Amino acid sequence: DAGVTQSPTHLIKTRGQQVTLRCSPKSGHDTVSWYQQALGQGPQFIFQYYEEEERQRGNFPDRFSGHQFPNYSSELNVNALLLGDSALYLCASSFRGSKGEQYFGPGTRLTVT
Amino acid sequence: GIQVEQSPPDLILQEGANSTLRCNFSDSVNNLQWFHQNPWGQLINLFYIPSGTKQNGRLSATTVATERYSLLYISSSQTTDSGVYFCAVGYGSSNTGKLIFGQGTTLQVKP
Repeated sequence: DAGVTQSPTHLIKTRGQQVTLRCSPKSGHDTVSWYQQALGQGPQFIFQYYEEEERQRGNFPDRFSGHQFPNYSSELNVNALLLGDSALYLCASSFRGSKGEQYFGPGTRLTVT
Repeated sequence: GIQVEQSPPDLILQEGANSTLRCNFSDSVNNLQWFHQNPWGQLINLFYIPSGTKQNGRLSATTVATERYSLLYISSSQTTDSGVYFCAVGYGSSNTGKLIFGQGTTLQVKP
């Protein structure tokens, strides 16, 4: 049973650049949520995608955008990178956008210099 | 919005000791999960427990939804139990799965 996968594992970008992170959900899941975890903090909800639409959004600026594909995989895009965007980005998957159990991927560690 | 508070923030144990981690939340929840974050950042699912009691080996958890708290028990701790433990909750009738995380409890188990 394939778990949640994310790519790349690590990424280094320069301020002002754009970045795309990718996530494939756990087998049988169709909903993907993205979280940002700053050092020493708990993860913060960015947004959730279900049926290729953004269903919920956290308190993040429009520089953060996403997409879900017909195979349920998802991308997180961040434009005009700031130093403060340096964090671990986590993807979680669940079934039918429900309130049920969520499973997390290994994360992508983004460093902005 | 809902507040999620975890205690204690830090915990140091000798191998073999038992511990209790607490999660308090300020509103009714429809989802509650406990996670263990390993040193590489991976969040490992421990329990999905919006109410009731569950056990899995040396770990068990209890959520008393009416009193708005959850407890995670670790018995006979091992060095591999070290890491950060997070409680995360979902709430609200319009919520489709957003989780609010506490600040975590950092556990260090010494041999």
